[in-house]
Amino acid sequence: DTGVSQNPRHKITKRGQNVTFRCDPISEHNRLYWYRQTLGQGPEFLTYFQNEAQLEKSRLLSDRFSAERPKGSFSTLEIQRTEQGDSAMYLCASSLARGGLAKNIQYFGAGTRLSVL
Amino acid sequence: AQKVTQAQTEISVVEKEDVTLDCVYETRDTTYYLFWYKQPPSGELVFLIRRNSFDEQNEISGRYSWNFQKSTSSFNFTITASQVVDSAVYFCALSEERQAGTALIFGKGTTLSVSS
Repeated sequence: DTGVSQNPRHKITKRGQNVTFRCDPISEHNRLYWYRQTLGQGPEFLTYFQNEAQLEKSRLLSDRFSAERPKGSFSTLEIQRTEQGDSAMYLCASSLARGGLAKNIQYFGAGTRLSVL
Repeated sequence: AQKVTQAQTEISVVEKEDVTLDCVYETRDTTYYLFWYKQPPSGELVFLIRRNSFDEQNEISGRYSWNFQKSTSSFNFTITASQVVDSAVYFCALSEERQAGTALIFGKGTTLSVSS
């Protein structure tokens, strides 16, 4: 059983460029989450999908950010016109949501570390 | 509002010492879940334990044990006979039933350094 896979692991870009990250969840997991983690902080929720539907976005997710999960499998997170403040680790997690949702264990990938110069 | 506080930023111990990582949470929900995750230098968050708000029994798994006390809103994590491989950042997290999406709310983490 493979875990959550994220690509690339590292991304260095210049301010103003667009970047896209990919997340492959654990197969059969119907929920997929994106979090952002800055140095010395815990992960912060950005958005989540139930199958292919994006059901919630955090206030942290500005209009320069867009996420998709076509066909309810892998997901992409795109950041347009990157800013230095976007530099962070972007973590993806997946879970198999059934019954009471809060109890579902989220399994995380190793993240994509973004550096905006 | 929901909040998780890990007051200890960094802890350093010598191998074989016992160490306790503190976690205090705030929630208005009666049904909630608490989690601990480990983040080694590789970056991947590794799930350690989940506890629901109705089960205050302490749990032991090998060298790890967890003490959940609703009266003090705490969910502390103890590592017995620490090892160098335990060096990592440890996060406590909260999930609430009524919160849409049940996103995890994380504390800032405690960095544990175990030296030989």
